[in-house]
Amino acid sequence: DIVMTQSPDSLAVSLGERATINCKSSQSVLSCSNNKNCLGWYQQKAGQPPKLLIYWASTRESGVPDRFSGSGSGTDFTLTISSLQAEDVAVYYCQQYSSPPLFTFGPGTKVDIK
Amino acid sequence: QVQLQQSGQGLVKPSQTLSLTCAISGDSVSTSGVAWNWIRQSPSRGIEWLGRTYYESQWYNDYAISVKSRITINPDTSKNQFSLQLNSVTPEDTAVYYCVRGKMSAFDYWGQGTLVTVSS
Repeated sequence: DIVMTQSPDSLAVSLGERATINCKSSQSVLSCSNNKNCLGWYQQKAGQPPKLLIYWASTRESGVPDRFSGSGSGTDFTLTISSLQAEDVAVYYCQQYSSPPLFTFGPGTKVDIK
Repeated sequence: QVQLQQSGQGLVKPSQTLSLTCAISGDSVSTSGVAWNWIRQSPSRGIEWLGRTYYESQWYNDYAISVKSRITINPDTSKNQFSLQLNSVTPEDTAVYYCVRGKMSAFDYWGQGTLVTVSS
């Protein structure tokens, strides 16, 4: 099984500052049929289901603000919020889909306002 | 716009069967290239994928090893919905359950979630 880890567990960032979340997979996720990284990022606000932000490690889902960006390849990935807004307070998860039918999520990173 | 509307019981007794249904609007359960998933979330287990059903010339199902002996996911083309049955539940199955659409590019539409509590 591919195990996903995230760091930090939580972070507090001032409004307008950058937030960076890291995700590591126990095996490379560069294995989809289109030779892309099968890695997604999700945002979950309190009381809501997760929302897809990024797929293929760096492609923003339609309607997602461009302050959210994803990068990385193989086993190491990063989600960056370039200028934190109050509405970005949430828990963020990475998820691999490179080994269907087994899909695994990271444990989550909580983002708060400093 | 795809919408997923969940329904089903919120309280299940130990050893009994958990049953949930997900009604689809804005898409079809038979759409090629799309899979219909059940995912659950709990503080102890995090977010856990349980299984999926999808149609590619015929119907297929995949299940997580952790629940494979107890789970059934069925499509219902007449009602454009799919269902989850989880047998022999224990308190460890207490979680928020989500129905979710999946494509090659991750899970893009989620139901509202159903809190299922396993308790006598």
